Amino acid sequence: GNSVTQMEGPVTLSEEAFLTINCTYTATGYPSLFWYVQYPGEGLQLLLKATKADDKGSNKGFEATYRKETTSFHLEKGSVQVSDSAVYFCALSTNAGGTSYGKLTFGQGTILTVHP
Amino acid sequence: SAVISQKPSRDICQRGTSLTIQCQVDSQVTMMFWYRQQPGQSLTLIATANQGSEATYESGFVIDKFPISRPNLTFSTLTVSNMSPEDSSIYLCSGGQSQETQYFGPGTRLLVL
Repeated sequence: GNSVTQMEGPVTLSEEAFLTINCTYTATGYPSLFWYVQYPGEGLQLLLKATKADDKGSNKGFEATYRKETTSFHLEKGSVQVSDSAVYFCALSTNAGGTSYGKLTFGQGTILTVHP
Repeated sequence: SAVISQKPSRDICQRGTSLTIQCQVDSQVTMMFWYRQQPGQSLTLIATANQGSEATYESGFVIDKFPISRPNLTFSTLTVSNMSPEDSSIYLCSGGQSQETQYFGPGTRLLVL
């Protein structure tokens, strides 16, 4: 079956620090990979995605590269801001077809807190 | 893109009662799903809402407890039946046209006393 593992949290950083949140996966089929963000009191928002090996997804200064050889999709940002404080979820979906199509499998989430 | 709304946004319910959550999409979507996010936990897929047919449930979830309707391509409901405090969670619906893009509603925060 499919599974996603994220680094243990929470993560606390000072503003302008470098951020890495690790994500590894196991999947049947050829997955698409996602990072979702959940700001306090809000729903999930798609942050970035990558649909094939070596693709780099990017948005709002965040980046993640689809590494098939290491089954990883680590999230990075060069300089975090206080407004980046949120919960970050790594997720995958597979194109195995049938009843699997479009379903997302989520990691456990990583709480990021950025201090001024 | 698609904008998804949910009603109610939150509710406090007594054990043994049922609550129906509505999910409305502002455009037609091929796929709709319901997820549960228990306190401090990740999201777990409850079921796929199939238009015009019975929902497809994930392991550990059953129709008697979580009946789902999807009468058209823009609307779905999830009912949490015979609630217990263990059902206290955030319930989210999602919808999209493709595997690569799923949009989420803001969630319904349910507290069962």
